[in-house]
Amino acid sequence: EDKVVQSPLSLVVHEGDTVTLNCSYEVTNFRSLLWYKQEKKAPTFLFMLTSSGIEKKSGRLSSILDKKELFSILNITATQTGDSAIYLCAVADYGQNFVFGPGTRLSVLP
Amino acid sequence: NAGVTQTPKFQVLKTGQSMTLQCAQDMNHEYMSWYRQDPGMGLRLIHYSVGAGITDQGEVPNGYNVSRSTTEDFPLRLLSAAPSQTSVYFCASSFGGNNQPQHFGDGTRLSIL
Repeated sequence: EDKVVQSPLSLVVHEGDTVTLNCSYEVTNFRSLLWYKQEKKAPTFLFMLTSSGIEKKSGRLSSILDKKELFSILNITATQTGDSAIYLCAVADYGQNFVFGPGTRLSVLP
Repeated sequence: NAGVTQTPKFQVLKTGQSMTLQCAQDMNHEYMSWYRQDPGMGLRLIHYSVGAGITDQGEVPNGYNVSRSTTEDFPLRLLSAAPSQTSVYFCASSFGGNNQPQHFGDGTRLSIL
């Protein structure tokens, strides 16, 4: 059975800290891995990763995929209170399916 | 830009009632999908469609039906609501299948009494 695991499930940090969120997967016919941020309502897209070792970066956020070890990390540097959200990892397979992890709830305190 | 529109935003049903959750997108996306989100479990795929007239089951399809008569609309039907279907439901769409980022609607919070 396809599975996506995220850790930690919950994290509390102070503004300015750097955080690393983890996502590991066991998915048959892996196609791509996606990261989303969910605040109050709809998840919003952050990154899509298809190749190992190539870092994707957007401002203070970055992510990388390791297809050999079957995991990805999402880094957030110099965290701000606006980064407080649930961060979701999802894996797409070649069967048009998506499998989501349970999410990491990040709370950034002022 | 409307994006993905879900209606209603909230609904309370009694056990055994049926209802349809509406989802419409105006981006001409081929791929549309329905998820439910329960605490601690992330998003679970219910049904998806790769184009008009084509639907398929996801991870948790039991108790739900879908149809895709147009590119824009992808309604989700609950046939006979059960308390276990209490959840937040999200509709999403993308262009070109599941290898593109999905755009999500704002969700429908459904409670079954």
